[in-house]
Amino acid sequence: DTAVSQTPKYLVTQMGNDKSIKCEQNLGHDTMYWYKQDSKKFLKIMFSYNNKELIINETVPNRFSPKSPDKAHLNLHINSLELGDSAVYFCASSQDGRRPYEQYFGPGTRLTVT
Amino acid sequence: SQQGEEDPQALSIQEGENATMNCSYKTSINNLQWYRQNSGRGLVHLILIRSNEREKHSGRLRVTLDTSKKSSSLLITASRAADTASYFCATDAGGSYIPTFGRGTSLIVHP
Repeated sequence: DTAVSQTPKYLVTQMGNDKSIKCEQNLGHDTMYWYKQDSKKFLKIMFSYNNKELIINETVPNRFSPKSPDKAHLNLHINSLELGDSAVYFCASSQDGRRPYEQYFGPGTRLTVT
Repeated sequence: SQQGEEDPQALSIQEGENATMNCSYKTSINNLQWYRQNSGRGLVHLILIRSNEREKHSGRLRVTLDTSKKSSSLLITASRAADTASYFCATDAGGSYIPTFGRGTSLIVHP
């Protein structure tokens, strides 16, 4: 069974569109994250949720809105997509973001904005 | 924000050789972790070392931490072609245990 899953794996869309990426973890973890990895492999945290509550919101345009319907899911909705949003987006989870636990990553969603 | 910097950016070795990657950071940390990322995949956790620890082992992996120099190293012994991947260090500091990642070292192991 996949521990952290994301859909879709690839997403190609045009500028100005709105899109969503879904993430689910079946590990029973309390904390989930969204990361953006650019073309130079720099991995930057975007959001962190602990038990459905937002605990980190890094400097991210407000076009990006995370939604956590329950602690096993953290979806990422992006409005008015721009060329610079092209990247690989990773969802991750950890047992408790308030303690030093390892993170489990999903396979990534490669977003291409044309 | 706290961020580790891996060195070298790229490393190419032959199977059977040892591979050493370094990570430097700027401010005091709580913990440091190493992750591996195979091409087109998500990151996989390798080792977590706490600020009061100096060395940890896991199979062919050896991680050291020198807090006085604000640096860590990851040694992979007897490398295999399957070790080909990018390796990232991640640090957490202050009141946050959420790790901040560097840009990674790209390791290629030639069979």
